[in-house]
Amino acid sequence: KAGVTQTPRYLIKTRGQQVTLSCSPISGHRSVSWYQQTPGQGLQFLFEYFSETQRNKGNFPGRFSGRQFSNSRSEMNVSTLELGDSALYLCASSLLGALNTEAFFGQGTRLTVV
Amino acid sequence: ELKVEQNPLFLSMQEGKNYTIYCNYSTTSDRLYWYRQDPGKSLESLFVLLSNGAVKQEGRLMASLDTKARLSTLHITAAVHDLSATYFCAGATNSGNTPLVFGKGTRLSVIA
Repeated sequence: KAGVTQTPRYLIKTRGQQVTLSCSPISGHRSVSWYQQTPGQGLQFLFEYFSETQRNKGNFPGRFSGRQFSNSRSEMNVSTLELGDSALYLCASSLLGALNTEAFFGQGTRLTVV
Repeated sequence: ELKVEQNPLFLSMQEGKNYTIYCNYSTTSDRLYWYRQDPGKSLESLFVLLSNGAVKQEGRLMASLDTKARLSTLHITAAVHDLSATYFCAGATNSGNTPLVFGKGTRLSVIA
C-alpha cells in the first residue's frame, strides 16, 4: 500500500515569504501530525489533525498553521519565514492517533530559508 | 510533561560488537516506539512496545521496555555496517491523544 507522501521534497524560500507544505496520509488513516526536525532541537511536535480538527498543538508561534481536508490530506503553512525555520518538516500518519496506533512518517520536506 | 532522554547521543562501534542504547522517560508513557533514520531520509518504524516487560526482536536489534524503571533499551548484536543510522525512541503520555515525544537520537556508526 502507498506510504505517506509529502510534497515538495525540497524548497528554498527567502525571509519574509510564506510557504505551504502538503502531506497525503496512508489511505484510511485519519490522523496527521507534523514535526520539525533540526540538528539543534531534534524532532519537535508542531500539531496534529484528526478528522479535519486540530487535536493537539505544540509550542510554535502563530506563524505556523495547518489544516486537514475531508480526504485526510493535510497542509501546513508558515508565514513570514525566518532563517530559523530552515528544517526538515516531517508528517506522520496514523489510523487513530499516535497514542493508539503506530505512526508512519513521510520522506519529509527540506525547507531552506535564505 | 513527558521528557525522553537517550544515551549515548553518539556511538561508534566496531563490526561484530554488541552495544545497548538507553532511553529514559520522565513520566508514565503508554507505549514506547523506536525509529531508525538514515541520513536525509525519513523515520522508519522499528518497534512498538506496549507493556511492561515487552521484548521485540528483528534481526540484530532487540528492544525491551521496563515501565517501572521508565526505561527502554535497544540492544545491537554483532553490529554490521548496514546498521549505521540514527535511532530515536519516542513515547506518549497516557492522558488523551497526546503527540509523540522524541529523544534526541543516537547516531550510530559501525566501522570495520
